[in-house]
Amino acid sequence: EPEVTQTPSHQVTQMGQEVILRCVPISNHLYFYWYRQILGQKVEFLVSFYNNEISEKSEIFDDQFSVERPDGSNFTLKIRSTKLEDSAMYFCASSVVSTQETQYFGPGTRLLVL
Amino acid sequence: AQSVSQHNHHVILSEAASLELGCNYSYGGTVNLFWYVQYPGQHLQLLLKYFSGDPLVKGIKGFEAEFIKSKFSFNLRKPSVQWSDTAEYFCAVNALSGNTPLVFGKGTRLSVIA
Repeated sequence: EPEVTQTPSHQVTQMGQEVILRCVPISNHLYFYWYRQILGQKVEFLVSFYNNEISEKSEIFDDQFSVERPDGSNFTLKIRSTKLEDSAMYFCASSVVSTQETQYFGPGTRLLVL
Repeated sequence: AQSVSQHNHHVILSEAASLELGCNYSYGGTVNLFWYVQYPGQHLQLLLKYFSGDPLVKGIKGFEAEFIKSKFSFNLRKPSVQWSDTAEYFCAVNALSGNTPLVFGKGTRLSVIA
């Protein structure tokens, strides 16, 4: 069964550094999403992406964040200058056509900002 | 804005006990409803979903959930839990109209003891 994959599984970085989290969505899916879960808190939506542009973004997704689909398979989340409060588990998800379909989640990248 | 409440933070049950996890949502329009499960060390997996039709939906591994529109509820049930059901359970909703992201509850940790 096809799965969403994410790399790396863990990343430790220094405050102020840039990080890029990578995701490979399921191949025939067209909508892509990033969510995050700070330890002990809810899973929160960051951004959705369709047709090579951002479809929707939350208040969390400020200018420090960007997303890109650099090729036909990868979907990346970049945090330009990490802050301590960016430490969280970041989940990528994808769905077939729109959010009216099931979103399938990747295993997550645990980001720790020191 | 949508919100999701899961009433139980941590539930501890003995094997073969029955399970009911509460989920209530707040939204004025029509919604899609989901239960996701996260087994230890694994990613979010879809247990079941409700889009329309029969309000009693059956999912994988013997789980079911009932959508009660008048109560804005979508409680998850299983008649007899197993040790392998130990996991975190997340209720989520998104609006039926438009490309809206998933809004998650805080999650309920289920511990099943022998």
